[in-house]
Amino acid sequence: DTEVTQTPKHLVMGMTNKKSLKCEQHMGHRAMYWYKQKAKKPPELMFVYSYEKLSINESVPSRFSPECPNSSLLNLHLHALQPEDSALYLCASSVEIAGYQETQYFGPGTRLLVL
Amino acid sequence: GENVEQHPSTLSVQEGDSAVIKCTYSDSASNYFPWYKQELGKRPQLIIDIRSNVGEKKDQRIAVTLNKTAKHFSLHITETQPEDSAVYFCAAKRGPQVGGGGADGLTFGKGTHLIIQP
Repeated sequence: DTEVTQTPKHLVMGMTNKKSLKCEQHMGHRAMYWYKQKAKKPPELMFVYSYEKLSINESVPSRFSPECPNSSLLNLHLHALQPEDSALYLCASSVEIAGYQETQYFGPGTRLLVL
Repeated sequence: GENVEQHPSTLSVQEGDSAVIKCTYSDSASNYFPWYKQELGKRPQLIIDIRSNVGEKKDQRIAVTLNKTAKHFSLHITETQPEDSAVYFCAAKRGPQVGGGGADGLTFGKGTHLIIQP
């Protein structure tokens, strides 16, 4: 399996809902990432997990809560989101080269709409 | 933190001509520079990357050059085809940070919308 998969593809939620985004890879990659991409903008880093531990949080509001249950799975739990959080949420994983996590491969994303 | 500037924002070329997209970065600690192609509604796809110990890399019609002293890198696409039409993003990644476990996110440029005119 050479792909990063994400579910669901689309999600519509109200501001009081709780939902989760799921990301999976079976390439043996030990670093996984969440990015947020607004329309006509580049992806922006949210979180980095390295060997199942959260290593980077780019000052993301606490209404976004990441979780890495095992080396193949990455979740993003959503609670009390705002309409401005509507975006494409991309997951990525990276292959280790000479001790560094480098080439990042992206999943297809979850398109989130917050009403 | 890292800042990546990308130019131009839109580039229109005739089919068969070459296209060049340029990026500059600010953090001298950055050591890995990938280029992604993103078609409308699709995921970013890695098309080529270069590490800071290399000045140039080529893969068929695509090449990337890196000037570490000037902190800029460029994407060159030759013999452009209609299927090259997309948004292209350059990105930079820092070298390993303390406690980062060797992983760090990418900082992206704002993107270039490449249009290939038939």
